[in-house]
Amino acid sequence: AQKITQTQPGMFVQEKEAVTLDCTYDTSDPSYGLFWYKQPSSGEMIFLIYQGSYDQQNATEGRYSLNFQKARKSANLVISASQLGDSAMYFCAGLGGSYIPTFGRGTSLIVHP
Amino acid sequence: ETGVTQTPRHLVMGMTNKKSLKCEQHLGHNAMYWYKQSAKKPLELMFVYSLEERVENNSVPSRFSPECPNSSHLFLHLHTLQPEDSALYLCASSHDRGATLYEQYFGPGTRLTVT
Repeated sequence: AQKITQTQPGMFVQEKEAVTLDCTYDTSDPSYGLFWYKQPSSGEMIFLIYQGSYDQQNATEGRYSLNFQKARKSANLVISASQLGDSAMYFCAGLGGSYIPTFGRGTSLIVHP
Repeated sequence: ETGVTQTPRHLVMGMTNKKSLKCEQHLGHNAMYWYKQSAKKPLELMFVYSLEERVENNSVPSRFSPECPNSSHLFLHLHTLQPEDSALYLCASSHDRGATLYEQYFGPGTRLTVT
């Protein structure tokens, strides 16, 4: 069985500061992908960033970067220079060879002006 | 319309009602998905259809009945639901069944409340 754990139900950050959202995974699948999604109040899931378990370097996409530590089985999302529009739910997800994704419970991020 | 659309956006139904959720994708994709997002559990995959054929059924109760008449449309028929079925139901589509997660395009969801 695969498991994704997000231990932070809610996070607050000041506008323009960086914030790290935690995610740990537990799987025996040697080929595993980690994904981060943003879900604003409108409901749709917006893909942010992806890290493959065999990728040598941490993934980056604009203001988003993934701090991937394979030995610790963690794939934390770092958002730099937070903006008010970053306020949303953030979900970590994993996908192995079964093609059935596993999602975490999510972290609610609130960006203060 | 573009992307993945879902109707209705909000639905309130009694436990004895029968209703249907509709999903439509305008992306030319061949695979479609139903996900359930409830307050008490993480987002979970319910059904996967590829080329109108169901290829995954993640042990979902029979009170949820999917239908995929063509590659652009996906329905979720609901009957005799329970209050714990109240959730956000998300539809997604991808080019094919083997697409990875980031290749799935999500709709805005239908917020279902069972009274």
